[in-house]
Amino acid sequence: KAGVTQTPRYLIKTRGQQVTLSCSPISGHRSVSWYQQTPGQGLQFLFEYFSETQRNKGNFPGRFSGRQFSNSRSEMNVSTLELGDSALYLCASSLGQSSYNEQFFGPGTRLTVL
Amino acid sequence: EDKVVQSPLSLVVHEGDTVTLNCSYEVTNFRSLLWYKQEKKAPTFLFMLTSSGIEKKSGRLSSILDKKELFSILNITATQTGDSAIYLCASTSGTYKYIFGTGTRLKVLA
Repeated sequence: KAGVTQTPRYLIKTRGQQVTLSCSPISGHRSVSWYQQTPGQGLQFLFEYFSETQRNKGNFPGRFSGRQFSNSRSEMNVSTLELGDSALYLCASSLGQSSYNEQFFGPGTRLTVL
Repeated sequence: EDKVVQSPLSLVVHEGDTVTLNCSYEVTNFRSLLWYKQEKKAPTFLFMLTSSGIEKKSGRLSSILDKKELFSILNITATQTGDSAIYLCASTSGTYKYIFGTGTRLKVLA
């Protein structure tokens, strides 16, 4: 069974640009969560999607948005990039609601904002 | 505000030592407590705990949850250099959120 895949793996952008990251969950998984990981803050929850609906959102500004498609694939968008957005963005999928099911993480997308 | 606190922040031991990693949590409408191991990239799942007092074991690793005192511990016996990693603790809540601690960085010396 293929694991969680994320594309691209690495990305370099400049301030003010926008970026879209993609996540394909494990086949059959309906929940996708996104996290930002930085050395100082650790893993911070961005949002979770379940059956194309956003279930919850972390404490991030509106520049961070996402969506989920009918095949459970998810995209995350960050607009008007800032230097502080440089981080590893991790996607995780689970079979059902994440509160009751273990999450499986993808390899992440390393975003660098110059 | 929901939070998960891990201690110690970092730890250096020698091969063969036993280590205990701590995780305390304050989470509204608690659902479960999870442990992950992160080496270079994505965290990999170790344990999910939902009931107090029931130890989960996998080889040299074990974990237990105390829902009264709101903490969990992860034990690693007979440590090996391959155990060197960041160990993350996370709690899930009824609002579908995962709240992660900042992790314990474990280094095992040969």
